[in-house]
Parts: sequence; structure tokens; C-alpha cells
Amino acid sequence: DIVLTQSPLSLPVTPGEPASISCRSSQSLLYTDGKNYLDWYLQKPGQSPKLLIYLGSNRASGVPDRFSGSGSGTDFTLKISRVEAEDVGVYYCMQALQAETFGQGTKLEIK
Amino acid sequence: QVQLVQSGAEVKRPGASVRVSCKASGYSFTDCLIHWVRQAPGQGLEWLGWINPDGGATNRAQKFQGRVTMTSDTSISTAYMELSRLTSDDTAVFYCARKKDSTYDIWGQGTMVTVSS
Repeated sequence: DIVLTQSPLSLPVTPGEPASISCRSSQSLLYTDGKNYLDWYLQKPGQSPKLLIYLGSNRASGVPDRFSGSGSGTDFTLKISRVEAEDVGVYYCMQALQAETFGQGTKLEIK
Repeated sequence: QVQLVQSGAEVKRPGASVRVSCKASGYSFTDCLIHWVRQAPGQGLEWLGWINPDGGATNRAQKFQGRVTMTSDTSISTAYMELSRLTSDDTAVFYCARKKDSTYDIWGQGTMVTVSS
């Protein structure tokens, strides 16, 4: 199985400040079609996960542009340019290259 | 609108089976795979497998081989996930999710399954 390792696991952030989450894969997620099969999801308290970023760097419909995804191969990053109170929750990376697996999750909280 | 609506919470005894349903609406049910993901209390997300409603092909995570059965009924746009030989470690919220292209773009609201004697 492909193992995804997120860091940090806990992320306290002051509103208005940037935040960054890393996701490292045990195998390259870059497929022969040139796409990186890595998505980011946010699970707010008491809710189902919601898609933020797909194929490494594409923002899902309705996702604010303060969220961005980057990376390729085995190293990926989710960045929030200016954290808002509504961004609290657990962020997961997920690989869809083979037998989907998720990272452990990063809990973002407001300082 | 496009949505997946799951069945209600279940309480089961160890050794029993549970079946969770996931009713799709707002799109053509046979156009997309339905995946199943679970989340134990306070834990992360774990993939169980998928079903292709168009034909019924399935794929399961190795961990759940022989214990999870996924089916669908296209006449009522509903997918089902049955997990057998339940133990307390199976206590979790079970989600269905639509796989469109390579992403889970729509999720069900989740079904809490509690396994307790």
C-alpha cells in the first residue's frame, strides 16, 4: 500500500496568518498521463470531508482562492494564504493512484 | 442537487453483520463509482472499496477481503455496503462518496455503526 505521511499533525494558526501542510508519499503519485493523483480534503467538526484540491494543484469548485496545492511525485503541500476562523478542521491528503489511502490528518486550530 | 443520502445509525452485536445504504440523486447513478470510507471515533479515514453501479464490478481493500460486500440497485439509485463478522474495532462512521474523474466530489452524511455487546 502507498503510505502518506502528513506534517505537522497539529497546526495552531493566528487568523490572517499563512499555514502550510506537507504530505509525503512512499511512492510517486505521478502517473504516465502526467497527472499527480493526490487530493486534499477538509473535514470540519461533525461534517463529512469536503474536496479542496484535486490532482495536486487544482482547486475544487467553490473553494476560496486562499487555498492552493503544489508538488509532484512524492512531495506535496497545501497552503492557506491567510487563515480564517472557518478553516478549522482536519485536513487530509489522499492518493488515488492505487487502492486509495489517506494521510493521518492535520488538525488546524485557531490560536 | 447532487447528493448521497445514507441510512440511519445502527447498533450491532459482535459477530453480526450490518448493511448501510447510500441513495444517489441529481445525477445518473451509473455514471460514477461509489466508494466506501470509514472513520473510527477520533481517528482518520480508511478506504474500504468501491462499486461500479454500471455492471456491479467491485474492488475491496485487502484488509476487508472476505468481510465486505458491496452491491447496488440501479432501479432505485442505491448502493449498499455490508460488513460481516463485526467486532468492536468496526465501530465507526461509514461514508459513501461519489468518485468523479479521480476525486470524491460528493459525500454522504455518514452512518454511525456501533458494535457493542
